[in-house]
Amino acid sequence: SAVISQKPSRDICQRGTSLTIQCQVDSQVTMMFWYRQQPGQSLTLIATANQGSEATYESGFVIDKFPISRPNLTFSTLTVSNMSPEDSSIYLCSVELDRVLDTQYFGPGTRLTVL
Amino acid sequence: GESVGLHLPTLSVQEGDNSIINCAYSNSASDYFIWYKQESGKGPQFIIDIRSNMDKRQGQRVTVLLNKTVKHLSLQIAATQPGDSAVYFCAENTGGTSYGKLTFGQGTILTVHP
Repeated sequence: SAVISQKPSRDICQRGTSLTIQCQVDSQVTMMFWYRQQPGQSLTLIATANQGSEATYESGFVIDKFPISRPNLTFSTLTVSNMSPEDSSIYLCSVELDRVLDTQYFGPGTRLTVL
Repeated sequence: GESVGLHLPTLSVQEGDNSIINCAYSNSASDYFIWYKQESGKGPQFIIDIRSNMDKRQGQRVTVLLNKTVKHLSLQIAATQPGDSAVYFCAENTGGTSYGKLTFGQGTILTVHP
């Protein structure tokens, strides 16, 4: 597996502001992903963070709301823009270490509360 | 016992019992499946995986069964311990053009009583 860290671990933000979440991996990985987990619910994929190109977003998620950066093979950021209380969730990054095995490993998550 | 219930299923067992957590997946083209364990305040932790060319795989105290005919996946935990209390998610990877994309099930809350 890999050691995956996220910053911040939690935050409380005001409506209308933006928050950038960082994901750091201790080894180079090809694939990084961002998920959202709303309170008491399962995980939903937001986007695939592609190194050197624009992220690939899932249906219902758009770049203006969730801009993603992937400057290298060990780091990615997700920004939650113009936040509303509905954005209160846990945001998780995951990595795929091996393109053949497909297994994804998750970071500890960032717990976001929007007031 | 087996997981039952609506919405987010819950399963309550006594320490030492065997647990069975069930999952119905949606896509017949899915070729890879993973079980994750999520403890409160933490990210999902990989438990065990299985490919579609297998129907059973065993790990330490855990077994995953795959029935492709009815699109059903189960996780069996032997001699369940209080530390096994968590939410368990199944996830499927369709491969192909959705390579690397995981779709998660709703999750099952497992509570183990000492």
